[in-house]
Amino acid sequence: NAGVMQNPRHLVRRRGQEARLRCSPMKGHSHVYWYRQLPEEGLKFMVYLQKENIIDESGMPKERFSAEFPKEGPSILRIQQVVRGDSAAYFCASSAGTKETQYFGPGTRLLVL
Amino acid sequence: GEDVEQSLFLSVREGDSSVINCTYTDSSSTYLYWYKQEPGAGLQLLTYIFSNMDMKQDQRLTVLLNKKDKHLSLRIADTQTGDSAIYFCAEKVGGGGNKLTFGTGTQLKVEL
Repeated sequence: NAGVMQNPRHLVRRRGQEARLRCSPMKGHSHVYWYRQLPEEGLKFMVYLQKENIIDESGMPKERFSAEFPKEGPSILRIQQVVRGDSAAYFCASSAGTKETQYFGPGTRLLVL
Repeated sequence: GEDVEQSLFLSVREGDSSVINCTYTDSSSTYLYWYKQEPGAGLQLLTYIFSNMDMKQDQRLTVLLNKKDKHLSLRIADTQTGDSAIYFCAEKVGGGGNKLTFGTGTQLKVEL
């Protein structure tokens, strides 16, 4: 049973470009979460999705950030017009249900030049 | 409100026990977790405890929960060099939400 998969593992973007981060949950999991880890900090919750629905986006910045989890395919975290402050590790987690344990992927490390 | 705090560093000798502490503020926490992060890697779930439990033991790991003081600890017996990593505690708050609130992490260094 493969774990949570994220790609790319490393992503370099110039200021103003778009970044797309992908997350494939564990098999049988339909709940996906995105967290951001700034350098030297803990993880901060961004958004919680189930298939085709955003359940909680209380941690998402109001502008430039969006997330989706379509019926088919991976969950996508999209950052438009990236700025240097977006440089961070972005982790995806998945769970089998609302009360179930979250399992984390290896993360995507985004560097904005 | 939600706030989880940990001390930043802990250094122990190989073979000794390590105790990593965590305090939280939200009394409606339902589950509390310990995750391990090695350099450049993702988070590995180590163990978790339900909020109505006081203690949970899993091989070399012992979790103690003092709900009155909102204090959680992780004890690693016979600490090995492979235990060197950053350890995060995290709480899941009740009330229908499913997000985890993480502490800032404790960097454990195991010396020979």
